[in-house]
Formats: sequence, C-alpha cells, structure tokens
Amino acid sequence: AQTVTQSQPEMSVQEAETVTLSCTYDTSESDYYLFWYKQPPSRQMILVIRQEAYKQQNATENRFSVNFQKAAKSFSLKISDSQLGDAAMYFCAHSFHAGGTSYGKLTFGQGTILTVHP
Amino acid sequence: SAVISQKPSRDICQRGTSLTIQCQVDSQVTMMFWYRQQPGQSLTLIATANQGSEATYESGFVIDKFPISRPNLTFSTLTVSNMSPEDSSIYLCSARAMNTEAFFGQGTRLTVV
Repeated sequence: AQTVTQSQPEMSVQEAETVTLSCTYDTSESDYYLFWYKQPPSRQMILVIRQEAYKQQNATENRFSVNFQKAAKSFSLKISDSQLGDAAMYFCAHSFHAGGTSYGKLTFGQGTILTVHP
Repeated sequence: SAVISQKPSRDICQRGTSLTIQCQVDSQVTMMFWYRQQPGQSLTLIATANQGSEATYESGFVIDKFPISRPNLTFSTLTVSNMSPEDSSIYLCSARAMNTEAFFGQGTRLTVV
C-alpha cells in the first residue's frame, strides 16, 4: 500500500519570503500522480499543483513549484514571495495512474500548517 | 474543472440518529469518493461511490454504518447511521474525471451530542 509522509506539522514564513514544505511517499508503482492541496479554515480543498510521475520536469504554477525526486520518492513544495493568503493547511497526496482498480483514490499525508507572518 | 455542491455544510445531531449528506457535481465525472477528516487531521477515504452498484469500502468502514448511494454520474449521498460522538468529524465529497485532479465539496462538519 502506498504511504505519504509529511514530517513538518507546522511551518512559518515571513511575508514575501520563500518556504519549502517536505513530502515523501512510498509506492510500488512506476506511474502515478502527486498533488499538493491547500485547505484554508473554510475547509475547501484547493489544488495547488500536480505532478505526473513520468514527467521529469518539475511542475510550476506561478509562485508555487515542486522539487520532484522520483528515485528518492520525494516531492517538496516551494512557495515563493509568500502572501498572507497562503496561510493554510497543506496536504501532499498520491494517486495511481489510470488503469488500475485503485485509480482515483487519494492517499494524503498528515498535513503541514503554514503560518505567514506580516 | 468541476464544481461540487455539498449539503448540509454543518449539523448537530443526537446520538443514535442518522444524517444523510448530499453531493452534487455540475458535470459528469468518472469517480466519486467520500472522505472523513477529524479536525486538524488528514483525510481518510471512506469509500468509492460506484454508479448504480454498491460502494467499495476501505478497511475499517462498513456499509451498515456508512451507506452510500450514487444513482447517476453527478450525484451521491453518504449516510452516517446510528451516530455516536466518535462520528463527529468533517465529511468531504470528492469527484474526479479520468486523468484529472480531484475536486472537493466544501465539507460537512458533523457534531454528535
């Protein structure tokens, strides 16, 4: 079974600075997806960024980028120019690629609470 | 992207009663899922809602406690039956089309007293 581990329960950053959230995972599959989701106090889960395992290039979305190390099974999220609105719980998640019976299900890490200081 | 409407957003229920949570997606999706999230904790998958057939439950979750329906591609319900205070949690509906990310409802905060 796949597992996702986020070893940082809490992180903090100054506004406009850069912060990196860590995530490691374990899976026996070679083809899968990885995601970072953000959950503000409103409870709404918001997709931040996604990475397909077969793509070597790291995904980027504006101020958000990942460092995907497939061999090391590591998937960290870098937030640049942090803003007050980035404060939330961040979850790393894994899912299998299409074709398997487990496709579509997400396995989540424990979450990292990010605080942004003005 | 898909927009998911989940109702109710919160409820306070008496122990021993049941609550049905509804999830409506604005477009046809391949898969729908129900997750549980204890406050401040991670999300745990309860089951996959299968259209027109019985849901597929994860270890630790059973149909008698969490009956699920999915009569069509855009609608699903989760019932929390015979509730106890341990069922107090946030319940989230999720939907996903092939090779896309998962979208989530805004969640239902359930408190059992």
